[in-house]
Amino acid sequence: RKEVEQDPGPFNVPEGATVAFNCTYSNSASQSFFWYRQDCRKEPKLLMSVYSSGNEDGRFTAQLNRASQYISLLIRDSKLSDSATYLCVVNTGAGNNRKLIWGLGTSLAVNP
Amino acid sequence: GAVVSQHPSRVICKSGTSVKIECRSLDFQATTMFWYRQFPKQSLMLMATSNEGSKATYEQGVEKDKFLINHASLTLSTLTVTSAHPEDSSFYICSARDSWQTFYGYTFGSGTRLTVV
Repeated sequence: RKEVEQDPGPFNVPEGATVAFNCTYSNSASQSFFWYRQDCRKEPKLLMSVYSSGNEDGRFTAQLNRASQYISLLIRDSKLSDSATYLCVVNTGAGNNRKLIWGLGTSLAVNP
Repeated sequence: GAVVSQHPSRVICKSGTSVKIECRSLDFQATTMFWYRQFPKQSLMLMATSNEGSKATYEQGVEKDKFLINHASLTLSTLTVTSAHPEDSSFYICSARDSWQTFYGYTFGSGTRLTVV
């Protein structure tokens, strides 16, 4: 089983749609969780951290379910500029052994 | 905010030659540097982790003699791909973290697209 699993998609949605991405992780000791966005041929950029209580940043809402080892990202009112690959990332380890484990990414295409 | 400058952004080299990729932290001390590789339609794969002044720790399956990592200062880390082959063609990205940044302090370079012909 992969350490971080995501549905690779692609998700094709019209502008204005709501889309949800899911992610599961295998290491129950994982400590922190993130969603990154990566545009084609670019480095990944942090979209948002994910907290157990759930957190929202504008049109983006992230949820974490530690019991189920499940993370989600909801995008409301999709824009053309949201087209990208969304990477689920899990931070594991402690001290200098901390490292990020990356999901394969979910590809989103928002169409006019 | 924290910035990591990565060079070159793109390089084409002949098979058998070596290529050096540099990552510099511009306004913070990069205590730890992570080197990733990403093949098309694949996720980022961690190659190695280096702490300043120490030998790098390589992930399973990554040849340390082929991918030489130097992290001699708190602001500079280099990855040298030695005797490059076409299968080494990939997108290489560095990520730095300083000692004060906890779970949120991973700053990425802009990546290097290596093509070996």
